[in-house]
Amino acid sequence: EDQVTQSPEALRLQEGESSSLNCSYTVSGLRGLFWYRQDPGKGPEFLFTLYSAGEEKEKERLKATLTKKESFLHITAPKPEDSATYLCAVQYSGTYKYIFGTGTRLKVLA
Amino acid sequence: DVKVTQSSRYLVKRTGEKVFLECVQDMDHENMFWYRQDPGLGLRLIYFSYDVKMKEKGDIPEGYSVSREKKERFSLILESASTNQTSMYLCASTKTPANYGYTFGSGTRLTVV
Repeated sequence: EDQVTQSPEALRLQEGESSSLNCSYTVSGLRGLFWYRQDPGKGPEFLFTLYSAGEEKEKERLKATLTKKESFLHITAPKPEDSATYLCAVQYSGTYKYIFGTGTRLKVLA
Repeated sequence: DVKVTQSSRYLVKRTGEKVFLECVQDMDHENMFWYRQDPGLGLRLIYFSYDVKMKEKGDIPEGYSVSREKKERFSLILESASTNQTSMYLCASTKTPANYGYTFGSGTRLTVV
């Protein structure tokens, strides 16, 4: 069964303390891997799409990378406003459907 | 600013009621989706539509139906609401090809009592 697993489930960082979130997948025929940010009580907000191993995307303090089996979301010098749940989703070939991970809840302390 | 708008933020319904959740997008997207989100289970796909009057079952369609009569509107119907359908419901849309990422609505938190 195709799966997407995110780790850790929760992460607490001090402001300025860089770290990485992991998304591993077992989907064959990957079409794209997506990262979203979700604030409490809101819908997810699209961040990045990655298509092939070795690809990297950046946005402010966030950098997403992709290998053949996993993706990392690196957060450099985070600020309290980066606190959110970060979701990973995988789309496989021949469909519009995604498989979502259960997310990493990030809390950045001032 | 482009948007996916869900008609209600919070709803409380009684067991057995027929419930309609409405979603409208203004981006001329072909594809629209209904998900539910529950703690520890993540987002699970209920139904999706890739064109007007077209629909496909997702992973958990039981107890739900959908309607897409116009391109911009996708409705989720709970035929007879039950307490296990208490959840956050999220509508999303994307253009074809579907590799631009979804645009999500703000969600409807439905409580069935």
